[in-house]
Amino acid sequence: AAGVIQSPRHLIKEKRETATLKCYPIPRHDTVYWYQQGPGQDPQFLISFYEKMQSDKGSIPDRFSAQQFSDYHSELNMSSLELGDSALYFCASSLGLRNTEAFFGQGTRLTVV
Amino acid sequence: LAKTTQPISMDSYEGQEVNITCSHNNIATNDYITWYQQFPSQGPRFIIQGYKTKVTNEVASLFIPADRKSSTLSLPRVSLSDTAVYYCLVGDGRSGGSQGNLIFGKGTKLSVKP
Repeated sequence: AAGVIQSPRHLIKEKRETATLKCYPIPRHDTVYWYQQGPGQDPQFLISFYEKMQSDKGSIPDRFSAQQFSDYHSELNMSSLELGDSALYFCASSLGLRNTEAFFGQGTRLTVV
Repeated sequence: LAKTTQPISMDSYEGQEVNITCSHNNIATNDYITWYQQFPSQGPRFIIQGYKTKVTNEVASLFIPADRKSSTLSLPRVSLSDTAVYYCLVGDGRSGGSQGNLIFGKGTKLSVKP
């Protein structure tokens, strides 16, 4: 069965650079969530989209932005990268805005040097 | 969203039954209880979800008392591969509205020993 696909799997950037993470949800899923997970930390909710509109916002820095496109894929744009942005970034998708059964991708490991 | 409280860590041995309890005193009428499992460097994986009483699937059972202020995830006969972090989430999984988030609190790190 198709799963949530994230790209790239690994990314190395320098401080102050920008990065774009992509997420392709499971077909027909209309809701996408983004999470940041630092080493030894729990996943932190960043932002979510439902039917291409922002649904909820968590602890997403102002330097980050995201959107969901017409084909339901989503992109997380990160600018002015800082060392502290180094983390695993997960995307999840679900069918329905308030369906708590979500499916997670394998994540993108971002390293800022 | 209702705040959840779980033990930080638990130890078990292979073949034992493991019960992880989650407290959610402020659970709302429409809230469902969902459990996720996460292995290192992997995304969380949905395990089970319930509203009241007992739910069982091929992986685990979920026990929810009548007052719904807590829930217990039961893993039968654990193996080494069950070593992971387990998260309890409480949120509105069924009704309409504009909210769309899945908030992960502090999970329980389960270590299964041979």
